[in-house]
Amino acid sequence: GEDVEQSLFLSVREGDSSVINCTYTDSSSTYLYWYKQEPGAGLQLLTYIFSNMDMKQDQRLTVLLNKKDKHLSLRIADTQTGDSAIYFCAERSRGTYKYIFGTGTRLKVLA
Amino acid sequence: DGGITQSPKYLFRKEGQNVTLSCEQNLNHDAMYWYRQDPGQGLRLIYYSQIVNDFQKGDIAEGYSVSREKKESFPLTVTSAQKNPTAFYLCASTTGGGVNNSPLHFGNGTRLTVT
Repeated sequence: GEDVEQSLFLSVREGDSSVINCTYTDSSSTYLYWYKQEPGAGLQLLTYIFSNMDMKQDQRLTVLLNKKDKHLSLRIADTQTGDSAIYFCAERSRGTYKYIFGTGTRLKVLA
Repeated sequence: DGGITQSPKYLFRKEGQNVTLSCEQNLNHDAMYWYRQDPGQGLRLIYYSQIVNDFQKGDIAEGYSVSREKKESFPLTVTSAQKNPTAFYLCASTTGGGVNNSPLHFGNGTRLTVT
């Protein structure tokens, strides 16, 4: 069945790069999303990629997709304390209404 | 500004009482969703609606009910049949899940505490 997995925690120093990883199981055409959640708030869309792409860059964010391994990563360059949050990976198969979310990775940025 | 409004932000109820969580959007989105979030478990789908007057059960619909009488509104009722109702509830919407990219847009959530 469909499943999205993420590691639970990541800790980095301010100014370093953060890499948050995600694996998914759907083998059909898929949209993959990254969301950020700050404490007590909803989810904010950061970026997305379609499964026919390998990479997408948006300012400090770089998304890499390895279709063979069904592995998705989000790299945050020059990580700041304001980047501390929970990051969710999600997938949606094309033509469906269902979005599958991972458990979220809690990123802690140390000053 | 367009967006999704969930109210109230915090809600307290006694066990055995039904409670309704509000979700309103002015994004002109067709599809709306309700998710439940518990620590360490990510988001679990309760109900979703692709269009007015139509909705489908998600993965954990037992003990919940919804209605979709207007495009802008998708209220969620947590009934007394829901065994563990204390959680953070998130409402989301999108232009149409089956079409192109259409990411979900989220409200700021309602934290429900039942004692």
